[in-house]
Amino acid sequence: GDSVTQMEGPVTLSEEAFLTINCTYTATGYPSLFWYVQYPGEGLQLLLKATKADDKGSNKGFEATYRKETTSFHLEKGSVQVSDSAVYFCALSDPQATGFQKLVFGTGTRLLVSP
Amino acid sequence: DVKVTQSSRYLVKRTGEKVFLECVQDMDHENMFWYRQDPGLGLRLIYFSYDVKMKEKGDIPEGYSVSREKKERFSLILESASTNQTSMYLCASSSRDGTGINQPQHFGDGTRLSIL
Repeated sequence: GDSVTQMEGPVTLSEEAFLTINCTYTATGYPSLFWYVQYPGEGLQLLLKATKADDKGSNKGFEATYRKETTSFHLEKGSVQVSDSAVYFCALSDPQATGFQKLVFGTGTRLLVSP
Repeated sequence: DVKVTQSSRYLVKRTGEKVFLECVQDMDHENMFWYRQDPGLGLRLIYFSYDVKMKEKGDIPEGYSVSREKKERFSLILESASTNQTSMYLCASSSRDGTGINQPQHFGDGTRLSIL
């Protein structure tokens, strides 16, 4: 079945450092890919998405490019802030395989940014 | 903005009790979902619904049931709570656009449920 693999955390960075969180996926169809963010004590918020190969999703300085050849969707930000400290989830939706919009999540990566 | 509201942020119940978790969305979304979130496992889908009175099993439906009597409300029911159901429960909703494509899911803030 479909699956998503994320790098284990926590990822600890200083403010203004460059961020990469790796995400790779396995899917039988042509999935859409998502990054969700969960701030402490809150639910998940959609951060960005990409629906086809070579699409780049971007929001709030974060970017991720849908790479079909490497089945990857790595999250990047050029300069992180303390307020970016959160848990980041990579997810895919593969309606062709599941017959419905079912999200398959990675296990999440905690990001800690210090001043 | 889409608002998905879960009735309780924290809940403590006893083994064997019947537990109801309520979720309401205010955007007339067709689709609603229940997940549980556990450390190291990410989010796992318990049940979902794509219309009133319709329900489908997700990946881990055992020990749970759901009810969707109105479009805006989706209830998760633990028939006889057990300690291994201690977890964070997240509700989500999404719409379908004019071509039938499902849009991204919007999540509530979660209910942290402890079963003693």
